Amino acid sequence: GAVVSQHPSRVICKSGTSVKIECRSLDFQATTMFWYRQFPKQSLMLMATSNEGSKATYEQGVEKDKFLINHASLTLSTLTVTSAHPEDSSFYICSARPSGRTYNEQFFGPGTRLTVL
Amino acid sequence: GQQVMQIPQYQHVQEGEDFTTYCNSSTTLSNIQWYKQRPGGHPVFLIQLVKSGEVKKQKRLTFQFGEAKKNSSLHITATQTTDVGTYFCAGHGGTSYGKLTFGQGTILTVHP
Repeated sequence: GAVVSQHPSRVICKSGTSVKIECRSLDFQATTMFWYRQFPKQSLMLMATSNEGSKATYEQGVEKDKFLINHASLTLSTLTVTSAHPEDSSFYICSARPSGRTYNEQFFGPGTRLTVL
Repeated sequence: GQQVMQIPQYQHVQEGEDFTTYCNSSTTLSNIQWYKQRPGGHPVFLIQLVKSGEVKKQKRLTFQFGEAKKNSSLHITATQTTDVGTYFCAGHGGTSYGKLTFGQGTILTVHP
């Protein structure tokens, strides 16, 4: 149980285009999902907290108009990187926190590697 | 804001040697979690520590949470090649959303 999927796993796009990444909790409901960014051999940097049915909470320094987050259901959150540029190339990982659990462990998706040319 | 420092950044050991990674938080934590990320993979939850002074064991792994709930450690006894990966601690400050602050991670390599 507690499986999180992410799609696509890898995407290459041209500068200026937008890319949508989906994060799904497959066998549990998640009121809260998180989006992280990870550079090679570095830690996970939290970008935003996504809450079902409400606006996402963005971390300081993360542009909400550039990284659009939608958490339309208890099993799906999407991250859209708008007008992507080469500096947006990174590994994007989502995680989901099961609703109603006492422990707040997060279950991570396999990640999406974005390359912007 | 809350910061979590983790050392060392890298650790190279011979198979059979022990390994320890340490985390320190700038603020008192509600709980601390540990994750393992294999090369090319995603973080996988290992354990959560909640109580002051708590010690938990998983086979060769021993996790400790400090008395002040600001530091933690992960110790692996007699490392194996399957232990290779990056170990992250992640501190939870007690917010209702469950936001975690990750340490920088310790990259462990094990030489056979």
